[in-house]
Amino acid sequence: GAGVSQSPSNKVTEKGKDVELRCDPISGHTALYWYRQSLGQGLEFLIYFQGNSAPDKSGLPSDRFSAERTGGSVSTLTIQRTQQEDSAVYLCASSLNGDRGLQPQHFGDGTRLSIL
Amino acid sequence: KNEVEQSPQNLTAQEGEFITINCSYSVGISALHWLQQHPGGGIVSLFMLSSGKKKHGRLIATINIQEKHSSLHITASHPRDSAVYICAVMGGSQGNLIFGKGTKLSVKP
Repeated sequence: GAGVSQSPSNKVTEKGKDVELRCDPISGHTALYWYRQSLGQGLEFLIYFQGNSAPDKSGLPSDRFSAERTGGSVSTLTIQRTQQEDSAVYLCASSLNGDRGLQPQHFGDGTRLSIL
Repeated sequence: KNEVEQSPQNLTAQEGEFITINCSYSVGISALHWLQQHPGGGIVSLFMLSSGKKKHGRLIATINIQEKHSSLHITASHPRDSAVYICAVMGGSQGNLIFGKGTKLSVKP
């Protein structure tokens, strides 16, 4: 497909476990974003990758969260030692380039993470 | 105070009504985005604008940079327009969007 692909679509895990969420952006898009949407809350920025530049990690809520983007394409968001407050929908988006917001962002369907 | 404020928070309309959703922001921006999130959770980008007005079908988005305000209008509303509409701005030198809390629209037949 031509859209942003995220996997898994749903993930249920026990508190304390590590989880990995995957995002496959639209081919050719150099900018990739991770967001989080907690129940009843608005969207929250987590991390932003632009090409080969150092990522903007300013939105990561704790050092248990990390993300990488290999080869400028696929990205993985990792949450270590999960806590119940990590339960949320994690959304990935990509755009042609980061260009200070002057490109529309294309969103994946998200991964619904539930921590028991 | 949130950097991006939307109003109303919830809106119920009858099919055919003209709808306006407002967004005010307090930061300098390079662009403002309007997004639509359907009950299933998928998010679609409706508009991205940095000045003036854009129209797509029954949807119109306007922005007033001096007043730091944007509006999203829906003409001849339809039940399929029922969704959460989210305003987001790209501010300063950051690469990320700052989101409003969304407006939940319900259009009754």
